[in-house]
Amino acid sequence: EAGVAQSPRYKIIEKRQSVAFWCNPISGHATLYWYQQILGQGPKLLIQFQNNGVVDDSQLPKDRFSAERLKGVDSTLKIQPAKLEDSAVYLCASSPRQGLAKNIQYFGAGTRLSVL
Amino acid sequence: AQSVAQPEDQVNVAEGNPLTVKCTYSVSGNPYLFWYVQYPNRGLQFLLKYITGDNLVKGSYGFEAEFNKSQTSFHLKKPSALVSDSALYFCAVRVLYNFNKFYFGSGTKLNVKP
Repeated sequence: EAGVAQSPRYKIIEKRQSVAFWCNPISGHATLYWYQQILGQGPKLLIQFQNNGVVDDSQLPKDRFSAERLKGVDSTLKIQPAKLEDSAVYLCASSPRQGLAKNIQYFGAGTRLSVL
Repeated sequence: AQSVAQPEDQVNVAEGNPLTVKCTYSVSGNPYLFWYVQYPNRGLQFLLKYITGDNLVKGSYGFEAEFNKSQTSFHLKKPSALVSDSALYFCAVRVLYNFNKFYFGSGTKLNVKP
């Protein structure tokens, strides 16, 4: 079974530029999560999708961050414009809606963003 | 507010010795509890979970965790540490009434020395 795929692995941009991250979850997983992990901290949930609908985006800075999962499969997270404090690893995770693994999140390797 | 605390930034243990990585939580209701491990430049990997039932749960790679409701703790343990266990460990809780949201601790770096 293929895991959660994320790209790019690394991205360096200057502040005020825009950037987009892509995530392809495990096939059949209905729930998709985007997390921000700042160095030395635990992951913080930005947005959670159930199929193509948003379940929770209460911690997403909506003035600059946006995310979509149009067909209920892969997802993109965008930052526009980026700030220095957005430097972090952006993790995507997915989980199935049913079955023994429904409470387990499967994580991708992440995208490391550096904003200069 | 929901919170997960991992009081130790780093735990050092000699290979072959038992290890404990601590986690306490403060959430409403009865949460689901998890441990994940993160190796350098990798995503988080699931180790084990507590949903209900026996307070001692066993997981991957010989790890186990003990749920203590009165102390709101979920400490990770292993009887005999390996050098390859060196990694970053995260405790997480899932709050069922709030969009089933996950909250993560800040992580504990485990160093196992030969």
